[in-house]
Amino acid sequence: AQRVTQPEKLLSVFKGAPVELKCNYSYSGSPELFWYVQYSRQRLQLLLRHISRESIKGFTADLNKGETSFHLKKPFAQEEDSAMYYCALRYNFNKFYFGSGTKLNVKP
Amino acid sequence: GAGVSQSPRYKVAKRGQDVALRCDPISGHVSLFWYQQALGQGPEFLTYFQNEAQLDKSGLPSDRFFAERPEGSVSTLKIQRTQQEDSAVYLCASSLDLGTQSRIGEAFFGQGTRLTVV
Repeated sequence: AQRVTQPEKLLSVFKGAPVELKCNYSYSGSPELFWYVQYSRQRLQLLLRHISRESIKGFTADLNKGETSFHLKKPFAQEEDSAMYYCALRYNFNKFYFGSGTKLNVKP
Repeated sequence: GAGVSQSPRYKVAKRGQDVALRCDPISGHVSLFWYQQALGQGPEFLTYFQNEAQLDKSGLPSDRFFAERPEGSVSTLKIQRTQQEDSAVYLCASSLDLGTQSRIGEAFFGQGTRLTVV
């Protein structure tokens, strides 16, 4: 069965520190993985997807099939990065399986 | 409007009451999804439409849940005889066309409807 695990419910870092939000997945097929972000009082929005190999707002994520991971990283966290982050696995073309989310708190 | 619109934003229902939640997707978006998000959890898939066709309803938790999209645009999620465990945020998302490589995964979410059953 497909599964997405985000082991940390809360991650607190100081501004300027590196940040890594962990995501591990379980899926028998070829995975398509995404990171969604929800800022305070805003809607859930796509941050980045592995297929695009992009860097958005300084964030990157590399799909590691050997470790079945898709960790989200940023070298220098900013206060405006504080938000809920959800890792998601897309399967069967039309379903997203979301992790339970990690709340990132960047302290000044 | 520019984004996915959901109404109402908040709904308080007495146990046993029927509720209807509305979703206005982005104009022209073929795919529409409903998700349920319980407190402290990630969104969980409920159902999926491609135009007016409901292609997947495997996530609907019981036969009290019913969704429709009769003209391929606006969708309604109906919950009959609400129970306390139905309390959650219900999210709607739409996407242009999941068949297009460049758009894969680009689902746009609404603000959600927070349902509280008392």
